[in-house]
Amino acid sequence: GEDVEQSLFLSVREGDSSVINCTYTDSSSTYLYWYKQEPGAGLQLLTYIFSNMDMKQDQRLTVLLNKKDKHLSLRIADTQTGDSAIYFCAESKSASKIIFGSGTRLSIRP
Amino acid sequence: DVKVTQSSRYLVKRTGEKVFLECVQDMDHENMFWYRQDPGLGLRLIYFSYDVKMKEKGDIPEGYSVSREKKERFSLILESASTNQTSMYLCASSLHRANTEAFFGQGTRLTVV
Repeated sequence: GEDVEQSLFLSVREGDSSVINCTYTDSSSTYLYWYKQEPGAGLQLLTYIFSNMDMKQDQRLTVLLNKKDKHLSLRIADTQTGDSAIYFCAESKSASKIIFGSGTRLSIRP
Repeated sequence: DVKVTQSSRYLVKRTGEKVFLECVQDMDHENMFWYRQDPGLGLRLIYFSYDVKMKEKGDIPEGYSVSREKKERFSLILESASTNQTSMYLCASSLHRANTEAFFGQGTRLTVV
C-alpha cells in the first residue's frame, strides 16, 4: 500500500540541529522528497533523494535514507527562526503520482 | 520562474452553492493536481490530470469534479458545497515523468458556512 507517516510536531532551540523523520511503506518508490511549507504559502521542494542513495547533503540539509527500514530523515543544522515551517515527506514512483505525509510542524525556541 | 496561480486566496461560500476553484500554470506542464490540506491529515489528493480533457480520481474525489479544457488550466468544482469541505485547497503542476518536482500554488482557503 501507499502510506507516508511523520510525527506532527517538533520543537528545537535556535542553533541546535533539527531531525525530522518519515517512514514510508512502498519499497518500489524511486524518489523521496522533502517539501517545505511556510505560513500562508504553498509547498516548495527543499531536496530529494534517489532510492539508490543513502545520504545527500546540501549546505545545512542532510537527508538520510534507510531502505531496509523504509525510513527517511531530514537534518537541518544550526536551525534558524526562518526554518519554522511545516515539512512534508513525499514519495514518487510514477510519472503522475506523489504521495505526501501529514507534515511535521517545526517550531524554533529562542 | 514557474508560476502556479490560484484564482482566490480566501473564499466564503454557503452550503449548497456550486463553487469553482481555478488554477493556472505557465510552464507547459502535463500534470496538474488538486489537493486538500487539513490539520493532521497532510495533503490528500482529490483529482489529477495528465493531459487535456483527461482526469483521474485521487484518494478523496467524492463531492468534487474537475475540468481540464486547456493545458494550462485545471478547475476544481464543488457541485454542492458542504461544511465538511471547508479546507485549504492546493493546486500543483509537474512534468509527466518520474523524479519531477511538483510546483504548488499559494492555496485557497475555502470556508463553507
